[in-house]
Amino acid sequence: ETGVTQSPTHLIKTRGQQVTLRCSSQSGHNTVSWYQQALGQGPQFIFQYYREEENGRGNFPPRFSGLQFPNYSSELNVNALELDDSALYLCASSYPDRGDSAFFGQGTRLTVV
Amino acid sequence: AQKVTQAQTEISVVEKEDVTLDCVYETRDTTYYLFWYKQPPSGELVFLIRRNSFDEQNEISGRYSWNFQKSTSSFNFTITASQVVDSAVYFCALISNSGYALNFGKGTSLLVTP
Repeated sequence: ETGVTQSPTHLIKTRGQQVTLRCSSQSGHNTVSWYQQALGQGPQFIFQYYREEENGRGNFPPRFSGLQFPNYSSELNVNALELDDSALYLCASSYPDRGDSAFFGQGTRLTVV
Repeated sequence: AQKVTQAQTEISVVEKEDVTLDCVYETRDTTYYLFWYKQPPSGELVFLIRRNSFDEQNEISGRYSWNFQKSTSSFNFTITASQVVDSAVYFCALISNSGYALNFGKGTSLLVTP
């Protein structure tokens, strides 16, 4: 086990609704990254947080937003859900050095209907 | 721009066979890191190995071995004497010093049958 925990594990939402996903990072890791993995694809980077600030962002619209808390846990918020947002959302924690290995949680499976 | 290509979408082998998963990458950076992750049906990405661009030594860990060749921009993964528990999707990923994100390939689905 990596020590990275995500909640909930599964979620079903209706198009247009908002959702919040949560991630607790591994002890000692102050950097959290979020990835979206569509079925049959590799994970795609959404954004990264370091010391409560957004540190980098992938090609995702502003309705994808996040937070990092002083204990380094993090939230991913998605507004105005679309059917294409249905995916596995993965959280990874690491140290800020890009060469450090990122350890992933078990993911949250989001289904938008 | 960075890109990781895993040309093999699906591989099926019989238990005890050796299997090699291919990974080819593109980056303009001279400092970068390569990774392999395993994703079982449960969904969690399990870290297998990290290699930096200055270390071309091959690595062996039990039945797993990795071959890093900068000349061909490849970082291939071999499983020796495969087992049913090796069945999973395997991802190769790249991160460079100029980026924040792991860039993943599309993954190779490995099925090992008894």
